[in-house]
Amino acid sequence: GQQLNQSPQSMFIQEGEDVSMNCTSSSIFNTWLWYKQDPGEGPVLLIALYKAGELTSNGRLTAQFGITRKDSFLNISASIPSDVGIYFCAGAIQGAQKLVFGQGTRLTINP
Amino acid sequence: NAGVTQTPKFQVLKTGQSMTLQCAQDMNHNSMYWYRQDPGMGLRLIYYSASEGTTDKGEVPNGYNVSRLNKREFSLRLESAAPSQTSVYFCASRNLLAGGGNEQFFGPGTRLTVL
Repeated sequence: GQQLNQSPQSMFIQEGEDVSMNCTSSSIFNTWLWYKQDPGEGPVLLIALYKAGELTSNGRLTAQFGITRKDSFLNISASIPSDVGIYFCAGAIQGAQKLVFGQGTRLTINP
Repeated sequence: NAGVTQTPKFQVLKTGQSMTLQCAQDMNHNSMYWYRQDPGMGLRLIYYSASEGTTDKGEVPNGYNVSRLNKREFSLRLESAAPSQTSVYFCASRNLLAGGGNEQFFGPGTRLTVL
């Protein structure tokens, strides 16, 4: 099935650093979503994007809907220990029942 | 609101045994989904139900059956469990009414081990 190319696959950073990750697709999407999954838990929706070029923030998190509709970016500023987890991107076309998921970016933070 | 709930949280089965994973949502959502998550494989869709009374196959439906019991509940059944079905199973729901977007909301997961 179709998949999104999410990178990097893993990140090891120091507390306080900024984080950037992205997702790319060969297809155009109308929706981009970013989820976070804590160990042993289900994915939790962080940010939803519905318009090309849209930039949306949720606290220290900022996500952007790429102007080409084929990519999206997530930035985390001033990382803290509770940011540890796996971040997933997901995309959908208009009216679609199903989401297409990226493989996830595993974030590890050294205190 | 509890959101999406799943039972059980953990389960160990022997090869060939059957079981049903339960999922319920209290957000009045139309669509419900079952995914499995394996290390390095991300989330893969097993089955989904666009509305009460309908179900459709996803990416990896073999070995599974589903029932959309009512608008709230969507169950996943393993008729004859195999070790390859060892995984973490997530249920999700989504609102398709006017104004609703593509966001899916996930339950806490069921961790299944098949010996």
